Amino acid sequence: QKEVEQDPGPLSVPEGAIVSLNCTYSNSAFQYFMWYRQYSRKGPELLMYTYSSGNKEDGRFTAQVDKSSKYISLFIRDSQPSDSATYLCAMERTTDSWGKLQFGAGTQVVVTP
Amino acid sequence: GAVVSQHPSWVICKSGTSVKIECRSLDFQATTMFWYRQFPKQSLMLMATSNEGSKATYEQGVEKDKFLINHASLTLSTLTVTSAHPEDSSFYICSANKGNYGYTFGSGTRLTVV
Repeated sequence: QKEVEQDPGPLSVPEGAIVSLNCTYSNSAFQYFMWYRQYSRKGPELLMYTYSSGNKEDGRFTAQVDKSSKYISLFIRDSQPSDSATYLCAMERTTDSWGKLQFGAGTQVVVTP
Repeated sequence: GAVVSQHPSWVICKSGTSVKIECRSLDFQATTMFWYRQFPKQSLMLMATSNEGSKATYEQGVEKDKFLINHASLTLSTLTVTSAHPEDSSFYICSANKGNYGYTFGSGTRLTVV
């Protein structure tokens, strides 16, 4: 079983809709949670970086962390065709694995005009 | 912000030759940088941690003699793929951390070995 599970999609939504993405994890040692956006043949771009359980909002993006359920989510409001990309969740254990991010498989999102 | 620059963005080399990839932190100093590899349709896998002024630490299964890492300054880490073979063809990406900005990734290098 993988430490981080993420549905690879593809997830197709119409322009303007809310995109809902999520990851589950099995290791309770993960303390930091990140969401990245990756366009084809490009490096990942950091969207959200969170530590504690709860919500964090930044523009059209909202990240949720539920440590008790080992479940994280990313919501994208008012989606645009330019949001079409692969979204990766990533997690970090800080005690003995600083900097060693564990990534999900990535979810491909397609926003149709 | 935090900017990480990676060069080249793509390279084609002949089997048996070596290729060097550079990773630079442009607006901050990075004592530690990280090198990842990504195969098509797959996620990123950490290869090694690059430490300024000391030896890199490699993840299990990564050949340190094939993937040479040098972190000679606080803003530059290099990854050299030695005696490259077609199975080394992949997308190589570096990252660094700037405090509360989290981990910033370079734009990646697509290596094709023919």
